[in-house]
Amino acid sequence: GQQLNQSPQSMFIQEGEDVSMNCTSSSIFNTWLWYKQDPGEGPVLLIALYKAGELTSNGRLTAQFGITRKDSFLNISASIPSDVGIYFCAPDGGGAQKLVFGQGTRLTINP
Amino acid sequence: DSGVTQTPKHLITATGQRVTLRCSPRSGDLSVYWYQQSLDQGLQFLIQYYNGEERAKGNILERFSAQQFPDLHSELNLSSLELGDSALYFCASSRSGSETTGELFFGEGSRLTVL
Repeated sequence: GQQLNQSPQSMFIQEGEDVSMNCTSSSIFNTWLWYKQDPGEGPVLLIALYKAGELTSNGRLTAQFGITRKDSFLNISASIPSDVGIYFCAPDGGGAQKLVFGQGTRLTINP
Repeated sequence: DSGVTQTPKHLITATGQRVTLRCSPRSGDLSVYWYQQSLDQGLQFLIQYYNGEERAKGNILERFSAQQFPDLHSELNLSSLELGDSALYFCASSRSGSETTGELFFGEGSRLTVL
């Protein structure tokens, strides 16, 4: 079956540092979505990628859809305390497999 | 506020019991999804309904069942509860139901504790 690997599982950084996380899969996807879950809340969509090779920014966030369509990364620049939370990748390929989320990257920021 | 409403927010019950979690999707959304999030775990997809019909099934136990009603609200029924069923249960909704999921809008979750 499909394997989806998100790394790292957790990150402990200083405020102001840049962050990078990625997801890789054994399957090809048509869409990569990145979500963030704040403590005590449900996940919220951050960035959506629809085309292989696409690089998209949303403020301090930048995400790319890998050329092979099997991977994606998310970067956060100049981290701030409100960036704390769990970040999930969620590739979408149709069928039941489209509804799979990565295991999440838990980001902790030391002020 | 995502527009997705889940009740109850917290629920404590005993092993062997049955509970029902309720979800009202965003206005106009036809798809409802249920996810389970255990401690230190990712989001495990359980089941999707689109306009009243089951559309996709994930790792949902036989002790669990769900349905979507004509007014599009959904209920997740969990029976013969075990300690391991303690988790956050999220409902999400989206406009679409086929081809691509599109953006999911999540509720705040229902935290189930089984003692």
